[in-house]
Amino acid sequence: SAVISQKPSRDICQRGTSLTIQCQVDSQVTMMFWYRQQPGQSLTLIATANQGSEATYESGFVIDKFPISRPNLTFSTLTVSNMSPEDSSIYLCSVAVDIRSGNTIYFGEGSWLTVV
Amino acid sequence: DQQVKQNSPSLSVQEGRISILNCDYTNSMFDYFLWYKKYPAEGPTFLISISSIKDKNEDGRFTVFLNKSAKHLSLHIVPSQPGDSAVYFCAAAGGYGKLTFGQGTILTVHP
Repeated sequence: SAVISQKPSRDICQRGTSLTIQCQVDSQVTMMFWYRQQPGQSLTLIATANQGSEATYESGFVIDKFPISRPNLTFSTLTVSNMSPEDSSIYLCSVAVDIRSGNTIYFGEGSWLTVV
Repeated sequence: DQQVKQNSPSLSVQEGRISILNCDYTNSMFDYFLWYKKYPAEGPTFLISISSIKDKNEDGRFTVFLNKSAKHLSLHIVPSQPGDSAVYFCAAAGGYGKLTFGQGTILTVHP
């Protein structure tokens, strides 16, 4: 398994500001993923973060709004830029462990952001 | 285009009975399926998974069944316990760990 820690666990942010969420994994993983869960919605993939390369964004998400860093195999950050109330969500980091056997995908505890 | 669907928003079950949570998918490229349990404002907790080459996987009280021809999977919880009350998400992977989630089903287990 993998233990994933996220910071902050929750925050209240002012409109127009930016916030960086950190994700730390207790083991080296090739692929890390960032998801968002808006209130009452399902989880939606924002982007895939691979070490040593640019993040790959899903449709509807752009780098200017959600810049991602992946400086090493155990750490990643997601920044939510120029926040608006619509960005109020839980942001989740996830890692895939043992990809070749197709296996298990773990999530961090989430970072609950409220934009006022 | 909802590629993974959980058509039941909620399910209520008596303690000790079986809970059956259903999930349908449309993308035949999905080759791995997972179930997660989630509480509000927390990250999803992995429960059980199944590869597309199997039709059943069991882990304790949790069993997942996959019917590839029908593009349908289900999670059985036996016996259900009040602590199982949570939102359950079905997720499908098409490779490299990228998941597509269903909308979730709220399970309530009554004592």
